[in-house]
Amino acid sequence: AQSVTQPDIHITVSEGASLELRCNYSYGATPYLFWYVQSPGQGLQLLLKYFSGDTLVQGIKGFEAEFKRSQSSFNLRKPSVHWSDAAEYFCAVALSGGYNKLIFGAGTRLAVHP
Amino acid sequence: DGGITQSPKYLFRKEGQNVTLSCEQNLNHDAMYWYRQDPGQGLRLIYYSQIVNDFQKGDIAEGYSVSREKKESFPLTVTSAQKNPTAFYLCASSPRDRGTYTFGSGTRLTVV
Repeated sequence: AQSVTQPDIHITVSEGASLELRCNYSYGATPYLFWYVQSPGQGLQLLLKYFSGDTLVQGIKGFEAEFKRSQSSFNLRKPSVHWSDAAEYFCAVALSGGYNKLIFGAGTRLAVHP
Repeated sequence: DGGITQSPKYLFRKEGQNVTLSCEQNLNHDAMYWYRQDPGQGLRLIYYSQIVNDFQKGDIAEGYSVSREKKESFPLTVTSAQKNPTAFYLCASSPRDRGTYTFGSGTRLTVV
């Protein structure tokens, strides 16, 4: 069965530090890959997505992610974290083609220290 | 601007009652979804619909029901058979191909 693993439940970084959130997936076919962000009590907002092509994708708010097929990973990065980045981050995968039923990881909660 | 509207934002239910959560989208998306979110468990799919008058069970459909009479609307009913309904419920929609989901702002349901 398809699955998504986010190994880090909670991460704390200092403002201005770099950030990497890990995501691994288990999928037989080439997946579509997504990162979403959720502020407390709100819906999810799309940060970036990967369908095909260049394996390094740029998203909103200065985030980027790199697809590594050999490692079945799609890690999210940001070179310098801002206090407003504190939120919960979800990695998701979907089968390529047709309607895409997303499968979400359990999420990583990011705290930012001043 | 197009988007998804969920209402109400907060909902309280007494034991044994059915309640209906509203989800409306004006994005002209074909597919709509309901997810349940509990702390530490991510999002779990309850029901989804790819076309009007058709819907499929997700991973945790027991105790829930849906309808899709209009493309724009996908209401979720939490029935008295749902033993632990207190949670945050999220509705989403996506277009037919390469469907990037658009989410509503959620409804927090509490059993009192």
